[in-house]
Amino acid sequence: AQSVTQPDIHITVSEGASLELRCNYSYGATPYLFWYVQSPGQGLQLLLKYFSGDTLVQGIKGFEAEFKRSQSSFNLRKPSVHWSDAAEYFCAVGPTFTGGGNKLTFGTGTQLKVEL
Amino acid sequence: GAVVSQHPSWVICKSGTSVKIECRSLDFQATTMFWYRQFPKQSLMLMATSNEGSKATYEQGVEKDKFLINHASLTLSTLTVTSAHPEDSSFYICSAPKGGESTDTQYFGPGTRLTVL
Repeated sequence: AQSVTQPDIHITVSEGASLELRCNYSYGATPYLFWYVQSPGQGLQLLLKYFSGDTLVQGIKGFEAEFKRSQSSFNLRKPSVHWSDAAEYFCAVGPTFTGGGNKLTFGTGTQLKVEL
Repeated sequence: GAVVSQHPSWVICKSGTSVKIECRSLDFQATTMFWYRQFPKQSLMLMATSNEGSKATYEQGVEKDKFLINHASLTLSTLTVTSAHPEDSSFYICSAPKGGESTDTQYFGPGTRLTVL
């Protein structure tokens, strides 16, 4: 069964500092990988996704993530955090086999706090 | 981007009553929708897959008679929590993939906060 681990429950960074949120997955093959952000009162918004090809993926709001097969990781990064980035971040994996549909497995999330 | 709405955004009900939550894809058609449950400070747990025109597919451990799902049209799926109890209090979120491929992006609704007294 596929699983996703986000080791950091809470992270606090200063505005303008760099950010890295960790995500490790367990899957029989290379899964589809996603990062979502959840803000209070809003639905989960897709930041970026990896299906194949270039292992460094660019997303919205200045975020990027790098797929590392050898480490089964898909860490999210941002060079300079803004106060508006404070939110809950979820890493998710999806199946790549035919008939797997779009069922996503989510990690437990990382709550990001930004200090001004 | 695509928009998915949920109604109501929050609801409080008495124990033993039933509550219906609607999930609508506003600017695209969705033959499949997903229902998740999220407990405080926890991740989203997939409850069921809603299929337009056919029965929903429930994840292991989810009571299909308690969580009734109806996908009556290509833009609407409903989740009815029957005979609700306090332990059903949670944040319910729906999502819908836009398109017909497994690589489709899923769009999420803003969620419905259910509190059962």
